[in-house]
Amino acid sequence: EVQLVQSRAEVKKPGESLRISCKGSGYTFTNYWISWVRQMPGKGLEWMGRIDPSDSYTSYSPSFRGHVTLSVDNSIATAYLQWSSLRASDTAVYYCARHTSIYSATYLVWGQGTLVTVSS
Amino acid sequence: DIQMTQSPSSLSASIGDRVTITCQASQDISNYLNWYQHKPGKPPKLLIYDASNLETGVPSRFSGSGSGTDFTFTISSLQPEDIATYYCQHYENVPYTFGQGTQLEIK
Repeated sequence: EVQLVQSRAEVKKPGESLRISCKGSGYTFTNYWISWVRQMPGKGLEWMGRIDPSDSYTSYSPSFRGHVTLSVDNSIATAYLQWSSLRASDTAVYYCARHTSIYSATYLVWGQGTLVTVSS
Repeated sequence: DIQMTQSPSSLSASIGDRVTITCQASQDISNYLNWYQHKPGKPPKLLIYDASNLETGVPSRFSGSGSGTDFTFTISSLQPEDIATYYCQHYENVPYTFGQGTQLEIK
């Protein structure tokens, strides 16, 4: 079974750093791009960016570029979303999703979501 | 960036009703559009891909149409389990913007 399993919920303070993970299984991890999607409390879905695990090529939404970093560790089939300095406005649920092909940002397989709470 | 204007933002309908949601792109996106269903506490679920193709296992009461800039998502006969928020998303180029979402409620 193809799966993406995300890391547990996190509670952090403003200014702290954080890395959350998304582990793929049941498929060849390097063959499929991974995107990240944010949902702030009571708000809609926002596309953050994507990464190609085969070469770590990334594309970011302008809304997130410079504030988050996408990376992968292919040895453990895991994608990461990282912040160096969290803000209260980063409080949200974050989803990873697997592209169905390199030609399509269609997401059939999703992680279960990671809740990040940033509060002083 | 391509903007996706989805309407309505909320919708109240009765069981058995036909429900229609529209999504307009700010520029031509061909058929590079998907529709997702999102329920609280769960990840989004793909319903329609490439504007009009029903994902395997999705009930046939769901359908999509359109190309270019104007797209429509339809539930032919609303069921209680369809209560959710629905999103369109384009993938013509990055960023792959979502529509604002349509929250569907039972009347």
